Amino acid sequence: DSGVTQTPKHLITATGQRVTLRCSPRSGDLSVYWYQQSLDQGLQFLIQYYNGEERAKGNILERFSAQQFPDLHSELNLSSLELGDSALYFCASSVADSGSSQYFGPGTRLTVL
Amino acid sequence: AQSVTQLGSHVSVSEGALVLLRCNYSSSVPPYLFWYVQYPNQGLQLLLKYTSAATLVKGINGFEAEFKKSETSFHLTKPSAHMSDAAEYFCAVSDRRGSQGNLIFGKGTKLSVKP
Repeated sequence: DSGVTQTPKHLITATGQRVTLRCSPRSGDLSVYWYQQSLDQGLQFLIQYYNGEERAKGNILERFSAQQFPDLHSELNLSSLELGDSALYFCASSVADSGSSQYFGPGTRLTVL
Repeated sequence: AQSVTQLGSHVSVSEGALVLLRCNYSSSVPPYLFWYVQYPNQGLQLLLKYTSAATLVKGINGFEAEFKKSETSFHLTKPSAHMSDAAEYFCAVSDRRGSQGNLIFGKGTKLSVKP
């Protein structure tokens, strides 16, 4: 158990819908990262927050957005969902904004029908 | 831009044999380097991390990796494979410069262990 929690574990929805994925970092960690894992793209970095502020952006679509709240939990919002958005979405956390080890949650499996 | 190449998408070894998973990075400045393991239907677990303190890094479950700057490599080894080592292994890099900590992952290597 990494100490990072993600809900829900599974999510099945239809095209065009909007969903919210939630992540709680390890106690004491200030950075939260979101990654997408799919068969064709592999593991791709989406976005990083550090102590409530956006720190880095990766291959995140404009239909996707995220935020980190004062209690440091984070939410990833995916809207206007397409079939190709079906993937595993991981959250990771670390103590610092760079250079420290990242600990991954169990992931949310999103299926878009 | 940084990148990671993992040679061999599938590696098969016999139980008790040496495990060698290859990773090469591309970066003008040696980055932070990581190995993660992913068991089926689970998240990624950190095996080990290179920061520059020592070129040979020991990790969990008997794994170790050696940083070789001249070869831009960070190969993962284990002297004797166990059935429980069957999983997918990912090499990742993170830039030392700046204040962004995101990881760039290789495509992964699936390790099979034959009895």
